Amino acid sequence: NAGVTQTPKFRILKIGQSMTLQCAQDMNHNYMYWYRQDPGMGLKLIYYSVGAGITDKGEVPNGYNVSRSTTEDFPLRLELAAPSQTSVYFCASIHPTVPGAFFGQGTRLTVV
Amino acid sequence: EDQVTQSPEALRLQEGESSSLNCSYTVSGLRGLFWYRQDPGKGPEFLFTLYSAGEEKEKERLKATLTKKESFLHITAPKPEDSATYLCAVQGGSEKLVFGKGTKLTVNP
Repeated sequence: NAGVTQTPKFRILKIGQSMTLQCAQDMNHNYMYWYRQDPGMGLKLIYYSVGAGITDKGEVPNGYNVSRSTTEDFPLRLELAAPSQTSVYFCASIHPTVPGAFFGQGTRLTVV
Repeated sequence: EDQVTQSPEALRLQEGESSSLNCSYTVSGLRGLFWYRQDPGKGPEFLFTLYSAGEEKEKERLKATLTKKESFLHITAPKPEDSATYLCAVQGGSEKLVFGKGTKLTVNP
């Protein structure tokens, strides 16, 4: 039981490049979330999903896309990276009735 | 719109000096209120989930309580290793998990 696994841990992108941040959980959780955390700014919700095939926008979705084809995986896609997307990205998952909400260790992304 | 406000933004305590952190929230149809601890450079670590007003949870020196408008994280006789940022979040009927900005706790020996 690995919990929530995020890859990669670090990445440097050039402006205009694209990449996918991976998030996988092995706890059979329905709810999954993507956040970005800027220094001193707290966690801002990018996208979330309540189950396979269902996704919805959060507070700051522009420049990002997601998909949820399986319960386990919730990848975040960055298209045309911009310096404003430099941040630490966290994925989280929750089961609707079992106490506990779990985060991955984060992906530190720098766009130059 | 679901909202979470945490206070104070920062708190300095001496070792052994008990205190409380506040989390005020507005949410439509509370499904759960969550407390996390976050250390620098790491992901948030789950502490507690509270589901309804009057509920309390305890873990070592930490105790979380919940009313219809706010939650408190009580820290009893803190130690330097309790230094961290403590985050509060709510999940409501929208299914979103909304966070406050956190309280940075420093415990001096």
